Amino acid sequence: GAVVSQHPSWVICKSGTSVKIECRSLDFQATTMFWYRQFPKQSLMLMATSNEGSKATYEQGVEKDKFLINHASLTLSTLTVTSAHPEDSSFYICSARRQGTPYGYTFGSGTRLTVV
Amino acid sequence: GQQLNQSPQSMFIQEGEDVSMNCTSSSIFNTWLWYKQEPGEGPVLLIALYKAGELTSNGRLTAQFGITRKDSFLNISASIPSDVGIYFCAQLRAIQGAQKLVFGQGTRLTINP
Repeated sequence: GAVVSQHPSWVICKSGTSVKIECRSLDFQATTMFWYRQFPKQSLMLMATSNEGSKATYEQGVEKDKFLINHASLTLSTLTVTSAHPEDSSFYICSARRQGTPYGYTFGSGTRLTVV
Repeated sequence: GQQLNQSPQSMFIQEGEDVSMNCTSSSIFNTWLWYKQEPGEGPVLLIALYKAGELTSNGRLTAQFGITRKDSFLNISASIPSDVGIYFCAQLRAIQGAQKLVFGQGTRLTINP
């Protein structure tokens, strides 16, 4: 149980375009999901917390107008990278916590974004 | 800040050797979590530690929650090729009223057959 699916697994886009990444909890409901970014050979850095039915909360230094988060249902959060630039190229990973498992944060398999 | 101090940053070992890595924090916390990330994948939870002094095993992996509550150790015994990956320590922190998972810098493990 506690499976998180992330789609797409990789995407290449042109500079200036927008890209949407989906994160789904397949066998549980998640009122909160988290979006991380990981640059090569670096750790996972929390970007934002996605809250079902309300606005996402962003970490310091993360532009909320550039990284749009929508958590429209208890099983789906989306991250849209708007007007992407080469410096946005990174590995984006989402996670969700199953209710009743305090430390059971399950991660998606990540999305490799390359902006050319 | 967010960072946990994890060392070493990388390790190159021979198959069969034991591995040890550690993580330290400037503050006291109630949990230590250890994750493994394989190339192109998200991290997977290996071991969760809940109290100071706790020693927990998961197969060939053993982790300990330091007595001071500011550090933790992860040991891998008799390493095998599938142990290759990046190992992260992590903590649950209450930041601005929300529980957030914060990661260390990671230890990249490479194994020579």
